Amino acid sequence: NAGVMQNPRHLVRRRGQEARLRCSPVKGHSHVYWYRQLPEEGLKFMVYLQKENIIDESGMPKERFSAEFPKEGPSILRIQQVVRGDSAAYFCASSPNTGGLYNEQFFGPGTRLTVL
Amino acid sequence: KQEVTQIPAALSVPEGENLVLNCSFTDSAIYNLQWFRQDPGKGLTSLLLIQSSQREQTSGRLNASLDKSSGRSTLYIAASQPGDSATYLCVGYGGSQGNLIFGKGTKLSVKP
Repeated sequence: NAGVMQNPRHLVRRRGQEARLRCSPVKGHSHVYWYRQLPEEGLKFMVYLQKENIIDESGMPKERFSAEFPKEGPSILRIQQVVRGDSAAYFCASSPNTGGLYNEQFFGPGTRLTVL
Repeated sequence: KQEVTQIPAALSVPEGENLVLNCSFTDSAIYNLQWFRQDPGKGLTSLLLIQSSQREQTSGRLNASLDKSSGRSTLYIAASQPGDSATYLCVGYGGSQGNLIFGKGTKLSVKP
């Protein structure tokens, strides 16, 4: 039973390019969370999605960042026109839909984005 | 706004010592609390999850406790080993929509 999968594990982009980060949750999990870890900083919440819905995007930068979790396929975190300050590790977590708000979250290995 | 503070930020000990890592949160309305380990450049490894109805959890040489009334958690590591060297993250389940709130971590170095 595979855990949370993220790809790519490492991504290098030049300033102004687009970055697409993918997250496949644990099979059967319908909740996905994205977190960002800037260098020498703790992880910070970005966005919480359920299938086809954004539940909470209060941690997302207002511009250039978007996220989706379609009915079929992985969740995508998209960063347009990347800047050097976007260089960070991006972690995805998933949790089951068992009715509670605070179900245990299971983390993927992260995608390390480097912007040149 | 819920914040998680970890003390100390860094800790260096000789092999074999017992040690305690501390975590405190500003709002005692924490639901679950989880301790993770993160190795440099790597992902998160879950160590212990204390659910809302529990006060402590144990796994091998690790013991974590949670005192909601004081807003504190501790992670106790017995007989430390060089392989325990990593950053330890304390994480609260208490965000408004179920999102996690992370401390900045305690960077542990265990010297042989």
